[in-house]
Amino acid sequence: EAQVTQNPRYLITVTGKKLTVTCSQNMNHEYMSWYRQDPGLGLRQIYYSMNVEVTDKGDVPEGYKVSRKEKRNFPLILESPSPNQTSLYFCASSSTPGQEYEQYFGPGTRLTVT
Amino acid sequence: LAKTTQPISMDSYEGQEVNITCSHNNIATNDYITWYQQFPSQGPRFIIQGYKTKVTNEVASLFIPADRKSSTLSLPRVSLSDTAVYYCLVVSDNQGGKLIFGQGTELSVKP
Repeated sequence: EAQVTQNPRYLITVTGKKLTVTCSQNMNHEYMSWYRQDPGLGLRQIYYSMNVEVTDKGDVPEGYKVSRKEKRNFPLILESPSPNQTSLYFCASSSTPGQEYEQYFGPGTRLTVT
Repeated sequence: LAKTTQPISMDSYEGQEVNITCSHNNIATNDYITWYQQFPSQGPRFIIQGYKTKVTNEVASLFIPADRKSSTLSLPRVSLSDTAVYYCLVVSDNQGGKLIFGQGTELSVKP
């Protein structure tokens, strides 16, 4: 089954404790992206990757890191989480962006930073 | 990137046809119109995409007038399971794959 998986699905952590949210896709997609969703602010892009070893900042990259060492994986790293990073996070993937493409979203990771 | 405007919420009853209109006055020549559906605490799901006139798939129809400044997503005979937030997006092939999600339209289907 074609899918995007994220782990963990739920995470409660404390300020400053480094964490990684994993994202994996099995569709051989070149493009992957991370979004966060907050009430009243909608979905906002954090980072994206056009291909292996190629990453770039989205609209809200501060406090996050990513890496793309393999085509299928795109982990999101919070080196020193803060309470304002409490949010619902989605990973997405698609074939090479262009006209007439759709993005596939993962199930989401609900992160709470206390 | 073209900004989109759509109603914040809509109510309907089971079995009715629902039409959600989206305004995108600044759409560019190479932009496509795309709609996503999102259920609570789930990731958005692609519904349909079009450039002009009418596009239909097994889930919905998308109507785009000649000036392309608006579009209408049509959901035939909705059921309770169609209760979700629907997002209208304008997608360009030169925006690095970025999807700009607005507030969306919260559709509530009642029995």
